[in-house]
Amino acid sequence: GENVEQHPSTLSVQEGDSAVIKCTYSDSASNYFPWYKQELGKRPQLIIDIRSNVGEKKDQRIAVTLNKTAKHFSLHITETQPEDSAVYFCAASSDLTGANSKLTFGKGITLSVRP
Amino acid sequence: DTAVSQTPKYLVTQMGNDKSIKCEQNLGHDTMYWYKQDSKKFLKIMFSYNNKELIINETVPNRFSPKSPDKAHLNLHINSLELGDSAVYFCASSQDLGRLGGYTFGSGTRLTVV
Repeated sequence: GENVEQHPSTLSVQEGDSAVIKCTYSDSASNYFPWYKQELGKRPQLIIDIRSNVGEKKDQRIAVTLNKTAKHFSLHITETQPEDSAVYFCAASSDLTGANSKLTFGKGITLSVRP
Repeated sequence: DTAVSQTPKYLVTQMGNDKSIKCEQNLGHDTMYWYKQDSKKFLKIMFSYNNKELIINETVPNRFSPKSPDKAHLNLHINSLELGDSAVYFCASSQDLGRLGGYTFGSGTRLTVV
């Protein structure tokens, strides 16, 4: 089955700096890669996603890049703000519409933005 | 309107007891899931249901029994609770994963077994 690795496990940046979180996946059939943000005591929420036919996607201060050959994808946050502090999860899926569809999550990274 | 709602939000119980967690979604999604989030924040899939049919059962002890009376509801019953069952349990739903936007999670149920 799919195995998603996420690193580093913690990241601390100064407010205004950029943060990059990297993930690798094992199943070359995976074709959908979402990122979730989980604030303390709250539910994970989708912040951006990318499909395998696209190399990069951007939404305001966040962007995701995908390298299918190397089987890794990254989340980029620019101009970080204290409210970006949270746990970020990457995930991957190879079966998007079938009954077996599911996401396999990385272990999460705790991002701390220092004011 | 809450899209995916779980009850209860907190559950404290003694070892050996039996408890249930309920989940309902009003999004019209076909697929629902149970995930367990341990103290290290790892999100691990337990079950998935598609149109009331069990699809995924990921090496979960048979003390855990999911039930889906209809595609909008997925409940989780746990027998003979153990200390290691303490975790946050998230329900989620999806439709055409990837085309219509990933999972929608419930707010979670924090289960503490004492």
